[in-house]
Amino acid sequence: NAGVTQTPKFQVLKTGQSMTLQCAQDMNHNSMYWYRQDPGMGLRLIYYSASEGTTDKGEVPNGYNVSRLNKREFSLRLESAAPSQTSVYFCASSGNQETQYFGPGTRLLVL
Amino acid sequence: QKEVEQNSGPLSVPEGAIASLNCTYSDRGSQSFFWYRQYSGKSPELIMSIYSNGDKEDGRFTAQLNKASQYVSLLIRDSQPSDSATYLCAVNNDGATNKLIFGTGTLLAVQP
Repeated sequence: NAGVTQTPKFQVLKTGQSMTLQCAQDMNHNSMYWYRQDPGMGLRLIYYSASEGTTDKGEVPNGYNVSRLNKREFSLRLESAAPSQTSVYFCASSGNQETQYFGPGTRLLVL
Repeated sequence: QKEVEQNSGPLSVPEGAIASLNCTYSDRGSQSFFWYRQYSGKSPELIMSIYSNGDKEDGRFTAQLNKASQYVSLLIRDSQPSDSATYLCAVNNDGATNKLIFGTGTLLAVQP
């Protein structure tokens, strides 16, 4: 039982490059979330998926897209990376108990 | 206005003392409250959840909720150096989606 897994762990991009962050959970949770964490800003919700087949914007969605591929997987895509997207990205999932369980994070540096 | 407010700290306490962490929230309709611990370079992990007014104890941790005053606190008894971390307060004010609003966290440093 791995919980929530994320790939890659670390990535360096040049401005304008694209990439997809992968997230998978094996807890049979309906809801999944993508956050970014910046110093002094706390965790901010980018997108979430309340159930398979649905996605909605969070607090800071600009510059990102998401795909809920199936119940297990929720990916985050940066189409044209910008230095302002340098951050630590966390994926989380939750079931009926509301508690969110977090993955280990992806550290992204955009040059 | 930030919806969930925490003092950023650092809060420094000696080993064995009680650490008191506080959080206030703005939405009176909030129903669920969570404390997460985050070690440097790691992901947040759940310590406590609380849903009703009053105290909830789990080992050395006690969460306190006062909905009338819109604050939630976390007490850590017999603080240990291993408790040194950032503590994040999170509030659910949207029961339909289980979205959480996080505070910016309080850095706790337990001095040996």
